[in-house]
Amino acid sequence: GENVEQHPSTLSVQEGDSAVIKCTYSDSASNYFPWYKQELGKRPQLIIDIRSNVGEKKDQRIAVTLNKTAKHFSLHITETQPEDSAVYFCAASRGTGTYKYIFGTGTRLKVLA
Amino acid sequence: NAGVTQTPKFQVLKTGQSMTLQCAQDMNHNSMYWYRQDPGMGLRLIYYSASEGTTDKGEVPNGYNVSRLNKREFSLRLESAAPSQTSVYFCATVGGGGQPQHFGDGTRLSIL
Repeated sequence: GENVEQHPSTLSVQEGDSAVIKCTYSDSASNYFPWYKQELGKRPQLIIDIRSNVGEKKDQRIAVTLNKTAKHFSLHITETQPEDSAVYFCAASRGTGTYKYIFGTGTRLKVLA
Repeated sequence: NAGVTQTPKFQVLKTGQSMTLQCAQDMNHNSMYWYRQDPGMGLRLIYYSASEGTTDKGEVPNGYNVSRLNKREFSLRLESAAPSQTSVYFCATVGGGGQPQHFGDGTRLSIL
């Protein structure tokens, strides 16, 4: 069935360093890939997304890259700050039909001051 | 987040009790979803409704039922609660394909 694998499950970086989180999806028909940030006790919130017709998208310190051939996409956070500490989820969706979203299991990012 | 409202925010039940989790959205979105979130498991889809009048099973539907009452409201019912259903439940909506989901604040449910 459809599956999204996310790595690593935990990631610790020093403030100012970069962080990279990787996801691999199984459904080749997936064409929409959002990333969510979830702070402790809060709801997931969208931070960036990418569609299959684009290879890379950037928004200030956050970027996402997509490799359709290899069926994987990655989140890059540069110049990390303590407020970036949270759990990050990737997801994949076909974008048509029933609009099901398959989520990765999450990455807990800790930015050490 | 006035867009997606979940009630209640917290609930404690005893095994065997029933209850309904409510979700309402004012975003005029067609599709609505119920997820459960357990530590280390990410978000798992319980049921979803692609549009008013339709519902479909997700990854973990056993022990749950849903009702899409109208375009705005999508409820999740536990008929006979079990300790394994202790979790945080999130409702989400989306306006259409290739768009991000919008989540409610969640319902924290404990079953003793």
